[in-house]
Parts: sequence; C-alpha cells; structure tokens
Amino acid sequence: GENVEQHPSTLSVQEGDSAVIKCTYSDSASNYFPWYKQELGKRPQLIIDIRSNVGEKKDQRIAVTLNKTAKHFSLHITETQPEDSAVYFCAASKGNTGTASKLTFGTGTRLQVTL
Amino acid sequence: DVKVTQSSRYLVKRTGEKVFLECVQDMDHENMFWYRQDPGLGLRLIYFSYDVKMKEKGDIPEGYSVSREKKERFSLILESASTNQTSMYLCESGGGTEAFFGQGTRLTVV
Repeated sequence: GENVEQHPSTLSVQEGDSAVIKCTYSDSASNYFPWYKQELGKRPQLIIDIRSNVGEKKDQRIAVTLNKTAKHFSLHITETQPEDSAVYFCAASKGNTGTASKLTFGTGTRLQVTL
Repeated sequence: DVKVTQSSRYLVKRTGEKVFLECVQDMDHENMFWYRQDPGLGLRLIYFSYDVKMKEKGDIPEGYSVSREKKERFSLILESASTNQTSMYLCESGGGTEAFFGQGTRLTVV
C-alpha cells in the first residue's frame, strides 16, 4: 500500500520568514495530494491540494510543488504569521471512488511561528 | 455547507466497556473513514466503507469493528475498550478530493 513520509516533525520560524514542509510517497499510482491544517482542538481543514498533472499551485501565501519522478511534494508558506501556527498534514490518494478514495497521511508537522 | 458530525466531543469509558462512536454526514457520500490520531503518529486509518454494508480494514483494525447500515451513518465500535485505545478519533466523509472531517471525539479509557 501507499506510504507517506513527512519532514520535519516540528518546525519553528520567526514571523515573516518562510516555512517548507516536505513529503514523499511510495505509490506511483497516487494522483491527488492535499495538505491539511489542524489548529489546536479543531478538525483538519484542507488548505491546498495538487493533482499529478500539475507541477505547482499557489494560493496567496501558500504554494505546493509536486515532483512525480522523485515522488515528493512540498508545502511552502511565505511571510509566516502567528495564525499559521498549527499542525500540517500531507496526504496522498488515487481517486474518488471506492478504495481509491483512501487518503494516506503523513505523520504531521507542528509549525510554530514566533514573534 | 458540508456537515460531518460526530456524536460526542469527549467520552470517558471504563476498561472492558463496549463503546460506540457515531458519525453522520449529510452530503450523500459513499465513502466514509475512521481514524485515530495520536501525537507523532498522525492519522492512522482504522476502517473505511465505500458503500452501505461494505467495510474494509485499514492499517490498525485490531480491537475495533464498524457498522454501516445507512449511507449517512458510519459507526466505530470498540468491543472491549482498553487503555491503549485512549485517543482522538476522527471521522472523514468523502475521501479523495471530497474529504471532510468531523470535529473529533476524544476518548479516554480508564
């Protein structure tokens, strides 16, 4: 089955700096890669996603890159703010139907943005 | 607005009790999932279902069972709760590009 590894497990940056979180996956059939943000005591929320036919996607201060050949994808947050502090999870999936809809998650990165 | 609702936010149960965690979704999703979330381990899949009365084991099914009698409801059952099942339990509905999470149930087994 799919295996997703995520690094680092914790990341501390100063406000205004950039943060990068990296994930690798093992199953070349995976074609959808979402990123979730989970604030303390809350449910994971989708913040950005990318499909395998795209190499990069950007949404304001957040961007995701995908390298299909190397089977890795990364989350980039620029100009970090204290409200970016949370746990971030990457995931991989093969589709939307039946067992292909299963998301395999990384182990999470706790991002702390300090003033 | 998609709603995925878990029946309890917090639960405290005794060792050996049978525990039911309920999840209800209102988006007519076929796929539903149960995870447990533990620090440093991320979200680990316990069981999932892609149709009524269908279920498949995830990565850590031992000690758990599930029930999907109706499309909108997916129940996680701890047959005989043990202290190592103390955790945060998250329900997901939709899967793939349509994944939405419930608010989580923090279960403590004493």
